[in-house]
Amino acid sequence: GESVGLHLPTLSVQEGDNSIINCAYSNSASDYFIWYKQESGKGPQFIIDIRSNMDKRQGQRVTVLLNKTVKHLSLQIAATQPGDSAVYFCAEILSGGSYIPTFGRGTSLIVHP
Amino acid sequence: DAGVIQSPRHEVTEMGQEVTLRCKPISGHNSLFWYRQTMMRGLELLIYFNNNVPIDDSGMPEDRFSAKMPNASFSTLKIQPSEPRDSAVYFCASSRSGTDYGYTFGSGTRLTVV
Repeated sequence: GESVGLHLPTLSVQEGDNSIINCAYSNSASDYFIWYKQESGKGPQFIIDIRSNMDKRQGQRVTVLLNKTVKHLSLQIAATQPGDSAVYFCAEILSGGSYIPTFGRGTSLIVHP
Repeated sequence: DAGVIQSPRHEVTEMGQEVTLRCKPISGHNSLFWYRQTMMRGLELLIYFNNNVPIDDSGMPEDRFSAKMPNASFSTLKIQPSEPRDSAVYFCASSRSGTDYGYTFGSGTRLTVV
C-alpha cells in the first residue's frame, strides 16, 4: 500500500477473508510504529503498535509485522468484517526524539458483505 | 475519559470570514497537536504545544493561521481571513510529552469555505 498522487490505494475484500495492508516507512532510526484506523467522519483511532525490538505483535484479529531490513510494516486483519471498512494509516515514531508520529498516506479497505 | 473534544464538528463559512476551531485535550496530556487532512496532502502537522507553549509551528501554512493554548485544557486554531483552499478536516490530538503512548485524536472539524 504505497500511496502516491491524489488517490489512496484501495484494498477490496470479501467479508470473512483475511486482509493485508502494507506500509513503507521512511526513517531507519524509527523505533516505534502504530497502525491507526480512520472511519468516515471520525478521527484516526489506535489499533495496534509495535516496537523495533519485535518483528510481530498480535492483537484481537489483527497482527502487525515489522521488517526493519526493508523498512516495511504490514497489518493483517483476520476474518475481515464490514465494520473494518476504513482508511488505515501507519505511523512511525523516533522515541527519544520529538515523539511526534510521521504518518503514511493511508490505504482504503473496502469490505464487501 | 471523554477523549479529545473538538468543536464545532462542521463549519461552513464565506471566504474572508474568520474561523475559530476549538480543542480540549485529554486531562493529564500536556502535548497538543493540530493537523489538517486533505485528499491532496493527507495528514499534515500544523503546530504542536508542550505545556501550553508552541514548540514547532513550521507546518502552519501562512500568516492567516494562528494557534493559541491559553491553558492546559483548551486550544484554538484561527484562520483569518479564510479562503476556499483552507477547506479540509482539522484534527486535534493530545499526548503525554516525552512518551510515545496515548497519542489520541479528536473527531475533527470539517471546514468548508465557500
